[in-house]
Amino acid sequence: DVKVTQSSRYLVKRTGEKVFLECVQDMDHENMFWYRQDPGLGLRLIYFSYDVKMKEKGDIPEGYSVSREKKERFSLILESASTNQTSMYLCASSLIDNYGYTFGSGTRLTVV
Amino acid sequence: KQEVTQIPAALSVPEGENLVLNCSFTDSAIYNLQWFRQDPGKGLTSLLLIQSSQREQTSGRLNASLDKSSGRSTLYIAASQPGDSATYLCAVAGSQGNLIFGKGTKLSVKP
Repeated sequence: DVKVTQSSRYLVKRTGEKVFLECVQDMDHENMFWYRQDPGLGLRLIYFSYDVKMKEKGDIPEGYSVSREKKERFSLILESASTNQTSMYLCASSLIDNYGYTFGSGTRLTVV
Repeated sequence: KQEVTQIPAALSVPEGENLVLNCSFTDSAIYNLQWFRQDPGKGLTSLLLIQSSQREQTSGRLNASLDKSSGRSTLYIAASQPGDSATYLCAVAGSQGNLIFGKGTKLSVKP
């Protein structure tokens, strides 16, 4: 089975800190995605990537950036964390467009 | 812009009932539709994937159907169990390959 691993289940960071959320997949998938999930708003796409060093903005990219230096790793970066970025962050990968997604177990980030 | 709607938002049923969860989408130009399950505080677990050329998929007690022309999908759960209690999410893959999600149906199965 494909595994998508998010490095932290829970994180607490201070306002203004630079935050890195890491995601690694082990099945050579081309596509990787970052979503955030908030009560009442559902899952919203932040950024996605179709290949190494490629990135595309999703619906809510403001305040975030991403890095994909290796095919298996997709990092989400909060340049200067703010309290409104407190959320559940979910990483996903897929082989190509017509195949299903596999999600990681999520990172619950709290910014204080 | 694609929009995905799930009805009902919450559902409570006694154990053993057969039930149907509904999902509708506004743009029929989809690559596929996927149903997920999410337990509280956890990530998403894929249940069923239906390609745009397919009409249904089955896995154990779960059956998902897809009617692209009407923009609808249903997830049928047979003989529900307390362990089925979770939030069920429907998502469609559009032309850019990214998934667009509904807000989910929270299911509670009472023993």
